[in-house]
Amino acid sequence: GAGVSQTPSNKVTEKGKYVELRCDPISGHTALYWYRQSLGQGPEFLIYFQGTGAADDSGLPNDRFFAVRPEGSVSTLKIQRTERGDSAVYLCASSSLVSDTQYFGPGTRLTVL
Amino acid sequence: RKEVEQDPGPFNVPEGATVAFNCTYSNSASQSFFWYRQDCRKEPKLLMSVYSSGNEDGRFTAQLNRASQYISLLIRDSKLSDSATYLCVVGHNDMRFGAGTRLTVKP
Repeated sequence: GAGVSQTPSNKVTEKGKYVELRCDPISGHTALYWYRQSLGQGPEFLIYFQGTGAADDSGLPNDRFFAVRPEGSVSTLKIQRTERGDSAVYLCASSSLVSDTQYFGPGTRLTVL
Repeated sequence: RKEVEQDPGPFNVPEGATVAFNCTYSNSASQSFFWYRQDCRKEPKLLMSVYSSGNEDGRFTAQLNRASQYISLLIRDSKLSDSATYLCVVGHNDMRFGAGTRLTVKP
C-alpha cells in the first residue's frame, strides 16, 4: 500500500507569513508524529497524535505552532508568523501502535526568507 | 542532558571494517528501542528494532543494556552502501531521536 505522504515537498515563504504542512499517514495507522529536522541534527520531536487527540505536544517550540488531526487520519501542522529560525525539514511519521515502528514521509522542506 | 545521546562521529572506515556505534538514553522507563538509517536528504528508515536479548540481522547486530541505559549497533564487513547517518531511537509514550552518527565507508 501507499506510504506516508507529505505536501508540499518544498515551501518557501516570507518571514511573518502563515504556512500549513500536510501529512497523509499510512491507512489504518492510529499514531501520527511530527518532527523537525535541521541540518546535521536528528529529528526533533514536536507532537504526536493517538487517533484524533494530541497525546503529547510537549515538543512544540511555542504557541505559533499548532497541529490538528480532526478525523484521525490526515494531519496538518500550522505555523503562524513564521520566523527564519523555523526553516527546517518537517517530517511526519505514522505507526500502527504508539512505540511501534514508525514509517516516515519524505518531509516538507520549509524555507523562511 | 539530551534524552538520547550518540557517538558524535563521523566514522570513516575502509570497506570490510567492523564499526560500532553507541547510544545512551536518560529515561529509564523507555520501552522500545530502534536503529534508523538516514541517507543524505532522505527520510529516516528503520534499520532494526533492538530487543533485550540482543538481535542480529545479517551483518548488523544490536544490543540493549537496560541497567546501563545503553544501546549499541555493530556493523561487520562494512560496504560502501552502508554510508549513511545512523539514528538511535528510544520510545516510551513517544519517540526520541539521537542526533545521529555519520558513517562513511571508503573503498
